[in-house]
Formats: sequence, C-alpha cells, structure tokens
Amino acid sequence: DVVLTQTPPTLSATIGQSVSISCRSSQSLLHSNGNTYLHWLLQRPGQSPQLLIYLVSRLESGVPNRFSGSGSGTDFTLKISGVEAEDLGVYYCVQGTHAPWTFGGGTKLELK
Amino acid sequence: EVQLVESGGGLVQPGRSLKLSCAASGFTFSDYNMAWVRQAPTKGLEWVASISYGGSNTHYGDSVKGRFTISRDNAKSTLYLQMDSLRSEDTATYYCARQTIAALFDYWGQGVMVTVSS
Repeated sequence: DVVLTQTPPTLSATIGQSVSISCRSSQSLLHSNGNTYLHWLLQRPGQSPQLLIYLVSRLESGVPNRFSGSGSGTDFTLKISGVEAEDLGVYYCVQGTHAPWTFGGGTKLELK
Repeated sequence: EVQLVESGGGLVQPGRSLKLSCAASGFTFSDYNMAWVRQAPTKGLEWVASISYGGSNTHYGDSVKGRFTISRDNAKSTLYLQMDSLRSEDTATYYCARQTIAALFDYWGQGVMVTVSS
C-alpha cells in the first residue's frame, strides 16, 4: 500500500503567519492517465473533514485562496499564506492513484 | 444544500453484525459514487469502501475486505454499509462521503459512532 508521510505532525503558528505542510508518498502518485490524485482535507475540532485542495493544486469551491497546493511525483506541499483562527485543526493528504486509497497521518495546526 | 446523514451506529459485541445507513439529499444521488471513511478514536482517517453511482462496482480497504459490504438504493437516495464479523479494531466514527473522482471526497456526513466491545 502507498504510505503518505506528513510533516510536521504538529505545527504551531501565530495569526497571520504563513506555514507549509509536507506530504511525501512512498510511490509516485502520477497516474497512467496523466492525473495526480493527491488531495488535501481539513478536519476542524469536533467536525467532519472538509475538502480544501484536489488534484494537487485545484482549490475547492468556497475555500479561501490563502490555501494553495503544489508538488509532483512523490512530494507535495500545502501552504497557508496568513493563518487565520478558523484554520486550526488537523490537515490530511489523501491519494487515489493507487488502490487501496490511503491517507496521511495528519498535521495538527495549533496556535502558538 | 448537500446533506449526508448517517445512522445505525451503536455498541455491538465482537463477532456480531451492524448495518449503517446514510441518507443523502440536495443532489442527484444516482449521479455520484459514494464512500465510507472511518476514524478510530484519536486516530487518523481510513478509507473503508466505495461504490459506483450505479452500484455495480465496489472496492474495499484491506482491513474490511470479506467482512463489510457497501451497497446503495438509488430510489431511496441511501447508502449502506453492512458490517459482519466485527472486531474491536473496527471501533470508529464512520463517515459517509460523496466521491467525485478517485479518493476525492467533496461532502461528508457528520459521522456515526460504532463501538465493538463485549
């Protein structure tokens, strides 16, 4: 199975600070059809996960543009340009290129 | 507004069965693949199973293959998860999710708790 390793596991930030989360895959996530099925989710405390970014860098409708995704192959990054209080929670990457689909272990974003 | 409402969770003994339901509204249910994703207490997310929009294709995670069955009733806009031979490690919150493409879960339910314990 594909293993997604997220770093750091915990991230402390102040409001307005820019932060990045890394998601590294044990295999390339480039599908034979040319797509890279790597997506990012946020789970706020006590809530269900919500989709932020799909196909590496496409912003889900309604998600603020301070969120951005980048990467290719095995290395991917989620960046938040100017953390706001509502951004706190656990971020997960998930891959759909190789069955079974797998999630990263999560990165908890907390206030410093 | 898209809504996914899970039900059917609870406390069940090891080896027994339980069936979860997910009632969908706010979109054309029969146009979308659907999935179950679970989260053990204080742990991360784990994909459990997916089903195609028509119900003919199903896929399962390794840890539930052969024990869980995903199904759907498009006339009722309802997704199901039949869980047999339950184990303590199946204890988790189970989320119903709409799936557009591979592993792209764009809407999630509020989750339903399943506890497997004697």
